[in-house]
Amino acid sequence: DVKVTQSSRYLVKRTGEKVFLECVQDMDHENMFWYRQDPGLGLRLIYFSYDVKMKEKGDIPEGYSVSREKKERFSLILESASTNQTSMYLCASSVRATYSPLHFGNGTRLTVT
Amino acid sequence: KQEVTQIPAALSVPEGENLVLNCSFTDSAIYNLQWFRQDPGKGLTSLLLIQSSQREQTSGRLNASLDKSSGRSTLYIAASQPGDSATYLCAVRPMTGNQFYFGTGTSLTVIP
Repeated sequence: DVKVTQSSRYLVKRTGEKVFLECVQDMDHENMFWYRQDPGLGLRLIYFSYDVKMKEKGDIPEGYSVSREKKERFSLILESASTNQTSMYLCASSVRATYSPLHFGNGTRLTVT
Repeated sequence: KQEVTQIPAALSVPEGENLVLNCSFTDSAIYNLQWFRQDPGKGLTSLLLIQSSQREQTSGRLNASLDKSSGRSTLYIAASQPGDSATYLCAVRPMTGNQFYFGTGTSLTVIP
């Protein structure tokens, strides 16, 4: 079974802090994704990576950056956290093949105060 | 841009009832469609994946169908149980770009 692990279930940070959200998958997947999920807005893609050191912006990349130094690990960075970044953050992975499913981690609930 | 809609947003049924959840999408050029379940405060759990060449997939009490030409999928849940209470989301993988597009989900409550 594919396992996607997000390092924290809950995080509370202060405005202006630099925040790191970590995601690790154990199935050698090429693709990794970061989404945020807000009530009424559904899942919105922040960034996508299709290989080590490769990344693409999603729909809402402003205020975020990402790092993929190793294939199994995809990090989301909030350079200077703001209250409007309070949200549920979901990491997902898949193989590159177009027939493959998407696998999600358990999510990180981030609160910025 | 692909748009995915799920109606209704919420559904409440008595235990034992069979039910259908709906998912519609605007662009039929997709590789596949995936149904997920999400429990409160948790991530998404994959239920069923239907490739564009398939008409349906079954897993236990769940059956998902796909009509690509009309841009519709349904998730049928037989003999619903209180443990089925969750939010159900569908997502499509378009043939262009690298994104998956999600609906906003149907929140299902099964009343004992």
